[in-house]
Amino acid sequence: DIQMTQSPSTLSASVGDRVTITCRASQSISSWLAWYQQKPGKAPKLLIYKASSLESGVPSRFSGSGSGTEFTLTISSLQPDDFATYYCQQYNSYRALTFGGGTKVEIK
Amino acid sequence: EVQLVESGGGLVKPGGSLRLSCAASGFTFSSYSMNWVRQAPGKGLEWVSSISSSSSYIYYADSVKGRFTISRDNAKNSLYLQMNSLRAEDTAVYYCAREAAAGTRYFQHWGQGTLVTVSS
Repeated sequence: DIQMTQSPSTLSASVGDRVTITCRASQSISSWLAWYQQKPGKAPKLLIYKASSLESGVPSRFSGSGSGTEFTLTISSLQPDDFATYYCQQYNSYRALTFGGGTKVEIK
Repeated sequence: EVQLVESGGGLVKPGGSLRLSCAASGFTFSSYSMNWVRQAPGKGLEWVSSISSSSSYIYYADSVKGRFTISRDNAKNSLYLQMNSLRAEDTAVYYCAREAAAGTRYFQHWGQGTLVTVSS
C-alpha cells in the first residue's frame, strides 16, 4: 500500500500567519491527492482535490500544490476558523486508499 | 441536500459482531460508489472499505479483510458494514462517505459518524 507521511504533526501559529503543511507519498501518485479539514467531534470537510483544485465554497486562502510524491497545503493568512486538524489522502491506488497521519494547527 | 446518516454503533465484546447502516438521501444513490472510513479515539482517519455503485467492485483495508463485509441496497438507498470477529483495535467512529463524482475516489460528503466500542 502507498504510505502517506504528513509533517509537521503539530503546528503552532498565530492569526494572519502563512501556514504550510507537507504530505509525502511513498511512491508517485501523480496528482491524485485530496486535503481535508477536521474539527473536534465533526466529520472531515473536503478542501482540495487533484492536488490543487479548490472545492466549491472553500475560501481562497487555502491552496494546494505538488505532484508525484511531494505535496503542500498552504493557508495564506490563518483565520480563527482554521484552527483544526488537516489530513491528506491519496487516491492513486484504486484498491487501497490511504490518509496521512494528520497535522494539528494550534493557536500560538 | 446530500445527507448520510449512520446508525448501528454501540458497545460489543471482543469477538462479537455488529452491523452498521448508512441511510442516504438527496442524491441518486445508485450512481455513486460508497465508502466506510473510521477514526479511532484521538487518532487519524483510516479508510475501511469501498463498494462500487452496482456492487461489482468491493475493496477492503488489510486490517479488516476477512472480518468485515460491505454491502448496499440501492432500492433502499442504504449502505451497510457487517463487522465480525471484532477486536479492541476496531474501536472507532465509523463514517459513511460518498465520493465527489463517479469514480473520483475522494470524499465530498460524510455522515456524522457512529461510535463502535469493542470492550469486555
